[in-house]
Amino acid sequence: AQKVTQAQTEISVVEKEDVTLDCVYETRDTTYYLFWYKQPPSGELVFLIRRNSFDEQNEISGRYSWNFQKSTSSFNFTITASQVVDSAVYFCALSFLYSSASKIIFGSGTRLSIRP
Amino acid sequence: DTEVTQTPKHLVMGMTNKKSLKCEQHMGHRAMYWYKQKAKKPPELMFVYSYEKLSINESVPSRFSPECPNSSLLNLHLHALQPEDSALYLCASSPSGTVNTGELFFGEGSRLTVL
Repeated sequence: AQKVTQAQTEISVVEKEDVTLDCVYETRDTTYYLFWYKQPPSGELVFLIRRNSFDEQNEISGRYSWNFQKSTSSFNFTITASQVVDSAVYFCALSFLYSSASKIIFGSGTRLSIRP
Repeated sequence: DTEVTQTPKHLVMGMTNKKSLKCEQHMGHRAMYWYKQKAKKPPELMFVYSYEKLSINESVPSRFSPECPNSSLLNLHLHALQPEDSALYLCASSPSGTVNTGELFFGEGSRLTVL
């Protein structure tokens, strides 16, 4: 089965705290991509990062960092020194080949609230 | 600014109306997608077009009819919808139609209300 699980439904932290969003995935494919998207109240899905199944190198981009571990099928996302503007719903997603097209499925999302 | 343009941004329709949602991209992408998103839920895949041919239909009711007139355009024709079809409809495109290459580029969505 192909599945993405985000166990944290909602997280609320005070500004400047670090916060980690968890993502666990299931796939039978050896070639796949993992993503994180941000959806602010305006509704548009904003692409944050992509990782392919052969690249377990973790990445840091400014206040954002990602930890991909195939051994535990996890792709976690950390925001350091959170800001109010980080408040949004964050989706983890999995892409795989299906019926000669890329199929992307989303986790249920984590609603992140940053309090001033 | 998003490079996937969706119109209209808001649509209100009655259950007997016929309307269409439109999506356009000029990035040369060969795969285009329709997703439906209900409030506080993740996007759910509806249709995928790959090289202008319907590749994936996620058992969507026939009152939703997709159309891909050319590689840049994707339409979703709506007819005899139900109030529960009210949702945000997201269009997306991807560079390759047959190889899993990565991320989707999403439009801002069309918010549909069915009365």
